[in-house]
Amino acid sequence: NAGVTQTPKFQVLKTGQSMTLQCAQDMNHEYMSWYRQDPGMGLRLIHYSVGAGITDQGEVPNGYNVSRSTTEDFPLRLLSAAPSQTSVYFCASSYSIGTGYSYEQYFGPGTRLTVT
Amino acid sequence: DQQVKQNSPSLSVQEGRISILNCDYTNSMFDYFLWYKKYPAEGPTFLISISSIKDKNEDGRFTVFLNKSAKHLSLHIVPSQPGDSAVYFCAASRIHTPLVFGKGTRLSVIA
Repeated sequence: NAGVTQTPKFQVLKTGQSMTLQCAQDMNHEYMSWYRQDPGMGLRLIHYSVGAGITDQGEVPNGYNVSRSTTEDFPLRLLSAAPSQTSVYFCASSYSIGTGYSYEQYFGPGTRLTVT
Repeated sequence: DQQVKQNSPSLSVQEGRISILNCDYTNSMFDYFLWYKKYPAEGPTFLISISSIKDKNEDGRFTVFLNKSAKHLSLHIVPSQPGDSAVYFCAASRIHTPLVFGKGTRLSVIA
């Protein structure tokens, strides 16, 4: 199993540009989520999905869109990049979020995004 | 309002000694707690967890203690090794809700 994969590893955008961060998992996990990590701020939840076709907002959803058309993929779209979105983005997946399965989440290696 | 707090941004410990990382939470509805470890340029990896029905869980050199009345948990690493140097995140959850993470504590184990 490849686990959770993220592409690209690094990206530089200009203000106003749009892009999609890709995330895929091959563990048949129902639950997927996106976090951003900023210095001194820990891991903050952007959006999450409890299954294909179902998404919900996390703590910091503004400026980001998600969709979940398949179990495997959970892309994160930046509609109009801003310098405040400079961060490291992590995708994570798990079997579920509390229906009797493990709460343990598996994280991808991250995407380092810089917006100039 | 921060629901999971790690009040020590950093901790330095000598190799072979005990490392104690602390975490406080405010939401009494949390029923599951986890610790993650993160190396630079990598994603966080799961380390150890504890259910709210327990007060201790041990896995090799790592032990997590939960004090529900104080809303406090701690991670003990004994003995500490240089390879343990990383950022440690505390996380908490309750059924049907995503994990909430603390801001992390950077542990440096000095040889």
